[in-house]
Amino acid sequence: KAGVTQTPRYLIKTRGQQVTLSCSPISGHRSVSWYQQTPGQGLQFLFEYFSETQRNKGNFPGRFSGRQFSNSRSEMNVSTLELGDSALYLCASSHGGGAREQYFGPGTRLTVT
Amino acid sequence: DAKTTQPTSMDCAEGRAANLPCNHSTISGNEYVYWYRQIHSQGPQYIIHGLKNNETNEMASLIITEDRKSSTLILPHATLRDTAVYYCIVRPHNAGNMLTFGGGTRLMVKP
Repeated sequence: KAGVTQTPRYLIKTRGQQVTLSCSPISGHRSVSWYQQTPGQGLQFLFEYFSETQRNKGNFPGRFSGRQFSNSRSEMNVSTLELGDSALYLCASSHGGGAREQYFGPGTRLTVT
Repeated sequence: DAKTTQPTSMDCAEGRAANLPCNHSTISGNEYVYWYRQIHSQGPQYIIHGLKNNETNEMASLIITEDRKSSTLILPHATLRDTAVYYCIVRPHNAGNMLTFGGGTRLMVKP
């Protein structure tokens, strides 16, 4: 069974640009969550989608948004990039809400210059 | 969600048991204790979870005190590949999939 895949793995953007990251969950999983990891703030929850609906949202500005498609694949978008958005963006998939195990992908390393 | 407190770092000799403590004194009755680990440059990996009984799986054992205010993750025979940051997380079981990560414990397994 294939694991969680994230594309691209590495990305370099310039301040002010926008970026879209993609996450393909494990087959059969309907929940996708996104996290941001930085050296200063650690792992922080961004949002969670289940069956195309956003179920939870972390404390991030509106520049961070996401969506989930009918095949459970998810994208997150960051507009008007700032230097502080440089981070490892991780997505996790699970069968459903309150799942015991969440499976994380390898992450997308975003660098904003 | 209840807050957790973990030591910043720990060392363990290869082949010995690694005992990682976690304090969660404000845990609520409906909150589970979860453990994840993150090996360098990889996404976090689920290890184990429990409510009030001790739990064991192929990776580790979880010991939760009777008052549920603390727990210990035990890796029975640590290997070099167990070197990672270990996160103790407390959350309600049926409240979505949001995980609140703290700083974790950086476990270094030494030969």
